[in-house]
Amino acid sequence: DQQVKQNSPSLSVQEGRISILNCDYTNSMFDYFLWYKKYPAEGPTFLISISSIKDKNEDGRFTVFLNKSAKHLSLHIVPSQPGDSAVYFCAASGVNTDKLIFGTGTRLQVFP
Amino acid sequence: NAGVTQTPKFRVLKTGQSMTLLCAQDMNHEYMYWYRQDPGMGLRLIHYSVGEGTTAKGEVPDGYNVSRLKKQNFLLGLESAAPSQTSVYFCAVTSVQETQYFGPGTRLLVL
Repeated sequence: DQQVKQNSPSLSVQEGRISILNCDYTNSMFDYFLWYKKYPAEGPTFLISISSIKDKNEDGRFTVFLNKSAKHLSLHIVPSQPGDSAVYFCAASGVNTDKLIFGTGTRLQVFP
Repeated sequence: NAGVTQTPKFRVLKTGQSMTLLCAQDMNHEYMYWYRQDPGMGLRLIHYSVGEGTTAKGEVPDGYNVSRLKKQNFLLGLESAAPSQTSVYFCAVTSVQETQYFGPGTRLLVL
């Protein structure tokens, strides 16, 4: 049973436009959500996070939106740049847990 | 300041052989984790440790053992490698509970 789902394995976006990556979760006990970015042959790197007490968190070109009632979060990248081409993982953790649950990832390609 | 390092970067094993993967950190973090990444499966937690001398099972612990004898090192062992253990292995560390910092990965091929 996959608790964190990224239903789009890949996404292709033109440079300068908005990239929207989606993530759904099933466990209502999750209270903290993160996005990680991964380039080939490297480890994932932390990108942005959001607590369940918020519905939006912004950091430069990156914004994460959380819709708790729908158990859905999304990552918006505006404007998209070729260097954003990578695999993006969403992850979630719950209260009193030391563990993250990861989604399967979405490969973003930003073309000129 | 190297952060999180993993040794080796790449290894080929024959079925039944054993090996140990080393994760080392110079960040003084308490928590350390071992994940495996497989195509279409995301990152799955194998084992983790919340402090020196402690270990716990994650989502996919079978076929692996771990040890955390020193705070800065977390070892992942395969006693008898199987082709199903062909994967990319990542180590992660954290002190702040939710933000994990990852190593560069170890690519393992079991023939």
